[in-house]
Amino acid sequence: DAGVTQSPTHLIKTRGQHVTLRCSPISGHKSVSWYQQVLGQGPQFIFQYYEKEERGRGNFPDRFSARQFPNYSSELNVNALLLGDSALYLCASSPSGREGEVSEAFFGQGTRLTVV
Amino acid sequence: AQSVTQPDIHITVSEGASLELRCNYSYGATPYLFWYVQSPGQGLQLLLKYFSGDTLVQGIKGFEAEFKRSQSSFNLRKPSVHWSDAAEYFCAVGAGGGFQKLVFGTGTRLLVSP
Repeated sequence: DAGVTQSPTHLIKTRGQHVTLRCSPISGHKSVSWYQQVLGQGPQFIFQYYEKEERGRGNFPDRFSARQFPNYSSELNVNALLLGDSALYLCASSPSGREGEVSEAFFGQGTRLTVV
Repeated sequence: AQSVTQPDIHITVSEGASLELRCNYSYGATPYLFWYVQSPGQGLQLLLKYFSGDTLVQGIKGFEAEFKRSQSSFNLRKPSVHWSDAAEYFCAVGAGGGFQKLVFGTGTRLLVSP
């Protein structure tokens, strides 16, 4: 079975531009989460989607948005890019996302975003 | 709010020696605890998890971790380190309560010397 796949693997954007990152979860997983990992730090939670609905949001500005499609794939959008948005963006899928449940998260290889 | 502390930023271990990476968490309810490993430029691979039951959990690649509620700790151990174990290790705590969110520590970089 394929794991979590993310695209693109790397990209370079200019300040002020917009970017869309994509994620396909493991087959059968309905929950997708997004994390930002700045160099030298642990991943920081951005969003969780379950059954196409936003279930949780981290402490990120409104420039960050996401959505989940009927096939459970997901997009992360970032508007008005800042230099500080340069990071590895990780997508994780989980078999469960129902309220009160926690299950292990399986991560993709990430998208390395560089803002210049 | 949940938090995770990994007090060691770097650890160097000789190949074949034992390893223990420390993790302390802060969480009001029963914690869900995880250890992940990350090779340079790569995503995170789950090593092991603790949800409930036996406090000593076994993972992949010969790793194990012990949950100690009284110490709010979830330390990762391996009896004999291999050069391929060199990587960044992250401890994380998860919470239910409506959505899934993992709170990660800052990581411990493991260096393996010959």
